[in-house]
Amino acid sequence: QKEVEQNSGPLSVPEGAIASLNCTYSDRGSQSFFWYRQYSGKSPELIMFIYSNGDKEDGRFTAQLNKASQYVSLLIRDSQPSDSATYLCAVKRPGSTLGRLYFGRGTQLTVWP
Amino acid sequence: GAGVSQSPSNKVTEKGKDVELRCDPISGHTALYWYRQSLGQGLEFLIYFQGNSAPDKSGLPSDRFSAERTGGSVSTLTIQRTQQEDSAVYLCASSPDASNYGYTFGSGTRLTVV
Repeated sequence: QKEVEQNSGPLSVPEGAIASLNCTYSDRGSQSFFWYRQYSGKSPELIMFIYSNGDKEDGRFTAQLNKASQYVSLLIRDSQPSDSATYLCAVKRPGSTLGRLYFGRGTQLTVWP
Repeated sequence: GAGVSQSPSNKVTEKGKDVELRCDPISGHTALYWYRQSLGQGLEFLIYFQGNSAPDKSGLPSDRFSAERTGGSVSTLTIQRTQQEDSAVYLCASSPDASNYGYTFGSGTRLTVV
């Protein structure tokens, strides 16, 4: 079982819709959770992080964490074509090398006008 | 610097040659990471430096790969006797320390072995 799993997609939504990206992780003691956005040909960019159960909102983005279900998600409201990218989920596991993040393979999102 | 700087941005090398990739992290960031990303693939961890501690080399795929970090700042990733399967984008990232911060990535070095 991989440490971090994501649906590879592609996920396609119309402009203005809510895009929902999901991620599960295997280590129940994982502590910190991150979402990165990667445009084609570019490097990953940190857009959200969450440490506690519940929701965390930042503009059009909401990260949701459920540690009991080992599930973290990213919601993008009012999706725009500029949101089209691959979204990477990353997890910091307990007992791992301090600071090392484990990445999922990413979900490709396309927002069509 | 303002961001993580990597050089060169592109490198084409012949199979069997050695290459060196450079990373200059954000000033004051004590943690430095190397990952690689093959076309259409996820991020593969290579090596991690934290301050003056011994690096975590657990992700290096073979003994042809090595890395060093001088003065707690600039890092060099060296690949000896390059093979075609080494072709990938090599990404460097840094973070303020080894706690709960996410990484800031550099723009990467695209390595092509021909």
